[in-house]
Amino acid sequence: GENVEQHPSTLSVQEGDSAVIKCTYSDSASNYFPWYKQELGKRPQLIIDIRSNVGEKKDQRIAVTLNKTAKHFSLHITETQPEDSAVYFCAAIQSGGGADGLTFGKGTHLIIQP
Amino acid sequence: NAGVMQNPRHLVRRRGQEARLRCSPMKGHSHVYWYRQLPEEGLKFMVYLQKENIIDESGMPKERFSAEFPKEGPSILRIQQVVRGDSAAYFCASSTGGTDTQYFGPGTRLTVL
Repeated sequence: GENVEQHPSTLSVQEGDSAVIKCTYSDSASNYFPWYKQELGKRPQLIIDIRSNVGEKKDQRIAVTLNKTAKHFSLHITETQPEDSAVYFCAAIQSGGGADGLTFGKGTHLIIQP
Repeated sequence: NAGVMQNPRHLVRRRGQEARLRCSPMKGHSHVYWYRQLPEEGLKFMVYLQKENIIDESGMPKERFSAEFPKEGPSILRIQQVVRGDSAAYFCASSTGGTDTQYFGPGTRLTVL
């Protein structure tokens, strides 16, 4: 089955700086890679996703890059703000393989220092 | 436009009792997924259901756990004879299938005393 590794487990950055979170996956058949943000006691919320037919996707201050050859993908947050503080999870899925549950990384606790 | 609904939000059970968690998918979604989140950990896939069918239960323990998504009504995750290790947040998500976005409910926080 799929295995997703996520680093770092904790990331502290100054407000206004950029944050980068990296994930690797094991199953080359995985073709969809969402990122979720989870605030304390709340539900995971999708912030951006990327499919295997593209290498990069951007939405305002958030971008995701995918390297299929190396089987890794990264989340980039620019101009960080206090409300970006949360736990971020990457995930991977192989649609159509008969197992459509997301495999999640262990999460990155992002702390934005004022 | 209601999102994914889960109830109860908090559930306390004593060891040996049964826990029944409910999930109503977003309108128009016929695919439901259940995940378990232990404290300070990521989400672990448990089971994927469509109406009246279990598609993938590879992440669900073989004993004491069962899930259903009947033709009418919410999806139900049932845990029999709960143990302290079952204490966790249980999230369901729904989608229109495939690699379409999975939207999560608010979760049910199960505490086993």
